[in-house]
Amino acid sequence: KAGVTQTPRYLIKTRGQQVTLSCSPISGHRSVSWYQQTPGQGLQFLFEYFSETQRNKGNFPGRFSGRQFSNSRSEMNVSTLELGDSALYLCASSWRGRERRTEAFFGQGTRLTVV
Amino acid sequence: AQKVTQAQTEISVVEKEDVTLDCVYETRDTTYYLFWYKQPPSGELVFLIRRNSFDEQNEISGRYSWNFQKSTSSFNFTITASQVVDSAVYFCALRAVYNTDKLIFGTGTRLQVFP
Repeated sequence: KAGVTQTPRYLIKTRGQQVTLSCSPISGHRSVSWYQQTPGQGLQFLFEYFSETQRNKGNFPGRFSGRQFSNSRSEMNVSTLELGDSALYLCASSWRGRERRTEAFFGQGTRLTVV
Repeated sequence: AQKVTQAQTEISVVEKEDVTLDCVYETRDTTYYLFWYKQPPSGELVFLIRRNSFDEQNEISGRYSWNFQKSTSSFNFTITASQVVDSAVYFCALRAVYNTDKLIFGTGTRLQVFP
């Protein structure tokens, strides 16, 4: 079974630009979450999607947005990039039923560098 | 508020030594899940174990063991007879049960195992 796939793996962007990151969850997983990892702030929750609906959002500015498609694939977008947005962005998927959820399985991340 | 504290920033050991990684959590929820993840240099977070708040049984899996104590809000992880391949950053995480997959991560402990 294929794991969580994130594309691209590496990205270099200029301040002010926007970027879109993609995440394909494990087959059958409909819950997708995004995290930002930086040396200073550690791992921080960005948002969570289930069945194409955003269920939860972390404490990030509105420049950070996301969406989920009917096939459960998810994208996150960062507009007007700032130097501080340089980070490893991790996507995780999990199976979620009425009474039970599995643990989250993570992709290898997209390393974004803003110059 | 929910919080996870990993007081050990970095630990260095020599191969075959035992090592314990500490994790202390805070939550007002009576039902919750705790996790340990390993992050090798490749960046992907690798799931190691999940524990429910209502199950305080300790667990052993090969060279890994976990000690969960609700009375002290701790969920410590021990690696027995460490190996160089165990070198990674280890994260403890907390998830509330209801209606979210959001994980609260500790700051991580970097483990270096020298030959």
